[in-house]
Amino acid sequence: EVQLVESGGGLVQPGGSLRLSCAASGFTVSSNYMSWVRQAPGKGLEWVSVIYSGGSTYYADSVKGRFTISRDNSKNTLYLQMNSLRAEDTAVYYCARARGEQQLAFDYWGQGTLVTVSS
Amino acid sequence: DIQMTQSPSSLSASVGDRVTITCQASQDISNYLNWYQQKPGKAPKLLIYDASNLETGVPSRFSGSGSGTDFTFTISSLQPEDIATYYCQQYDNLPHFGGGTKVEIK
Repeated sequence: EVQLVESGGGLVQPGGSLRLSCAASGFTVSSNYMSWVRQAPGKGLEWVSVIYSGGSTYYADSVKGRFTISRDNSKNTLYLQMNSLRAEDTAVYYCARARGEQQLAFDYWGQGTLVTVSS
Repeated sequence: DIQMTQSPSSLSASVGDRVTITCQASQDISNYLNWYQQKPGKAPKLLIYDASNLETGVPSRFSGSGSGTDFTFTISSLQPEDIATYYCQQYDNLPHFGGGTKVEIK
């Protein structure tokens, strides 16, 4: 059974850093396209970042230069390193698996982890 | 960036009604368009991929159509459990979600 479990969210001050983790089971993270998607309180979905099976990474303009997506193949885990955090980064962060290579339809999602950026 | 305009932002319909949501892309995205359902406090769920393909296990009352810039999502007979917010998402370039449509029961 495919499962994604996020962790690492919490309260952080503006300008601070946080690393989110997404532990996967039932499939191999490195063989799939994996993304982070966030949702600010009461708002819609916003795509944040993707890592392709080949290792290429891409980011939304809103986080480029501040966030880094990565994976640990030995732990079958996806990460999102978030630096220089701002109040507008406050959101529930979901990791999601793409349905197939070059098919960015997200068929499995984690339960989400809440990041709150506030002093 | 490709922008997605989703409408309406909310709607109210009766059980059994046909419900239609549209999504318009700012440029041609072929059929690279997906639809999701999100219930409060839950992660989104993929319903339709590549504009018209029903994800495994999704009831057949859900359907999608369109290509290029104009897409439609339909619930043929609204059920109480369909109360949720629905999002379109394109991936012609990098992924981008529409603004969402909140569906309520009249």
